[in-house]
Amino acid sequence: DVKVTQSSRYLVKRTGEKVFLECVQDMDHENMFWYRQDPGLGLRLIYFSYDVKMKEKGDIPEGYSVSREKKERFSLILESASTNQTSMYLCASSSGTSGSYGQYFGPGTRLTVT
Amino acid sequence: DAKTTQPPSMDCAEGRAANLPCNHSTISGNEYVYWYRQIHSQGPQYIIHGLKNNETNEMASLIITEDRKSSTLILPHATLRDTAVYYCIVRVANTGFQKLVFGTGTRLLVSP
Repeated sequence: DVKVTQSSRYLVKRTGEKVFLECVQDMDHENMFWYRQDPGLGLRLIYFSYDVKMKEKGDIPEGYSVSREKKERFSLILESASTNQTSMYLCASSSGTSGSYGQYFGPGTRLTVT
Repeated sequence: DAKTTQPPSMDCAEGRAANLPCNHSTISGNEYVYWYRQIHSQGPQYIIHGLKNNETNEMASLIITEDRKSSTLILPHATLRDTAVYYCIVRVANTGFQKLVFGTGTRLLVSP
């Protein structure tokens, strides 16, 4: 079974803190994604990566950065957390370059910024 | 990506088959049909996808009509753990920007 793990299920941080969210997948997938999910707004793509050290902006990259130093690990960084970044953060991975494969998601990290 | 229409909610008795419909009348020839589900407070889960042939895996079956304008996800023996929101997505399979966009989905309630 594909397994995507995220470092924390719940996280509470203060405004202005630097926040690291880690994601690891064990299926040697090329592609990895970070989304956030908010009620009424659905799933929104923050960043994705199709190879080590490669990254592409999604729809809402402002206030976030990412790092992919190893194929299995994709990190999301909130440089200076703000209350409007309170959300559920979801990491996903998928295989191949054809784009026809499904995306496998982690359990999510519910981040609260106070 | 083509738009999809799903019923907002459905009920199913435990042990019975759950048949979840999806209309995608504007689908084009190179678009796949994907199904995901999301159990409350968990990440979405990929279920199955197909282009034009029916597909089956350990979780479900996907039946796509011959004109590809609609499809049905079948959970053959629904359990209480299948209670979730099910999303039907139609999208082109290509490289690069692969974001998923979920609609409102169908909230399936499986009851004892």
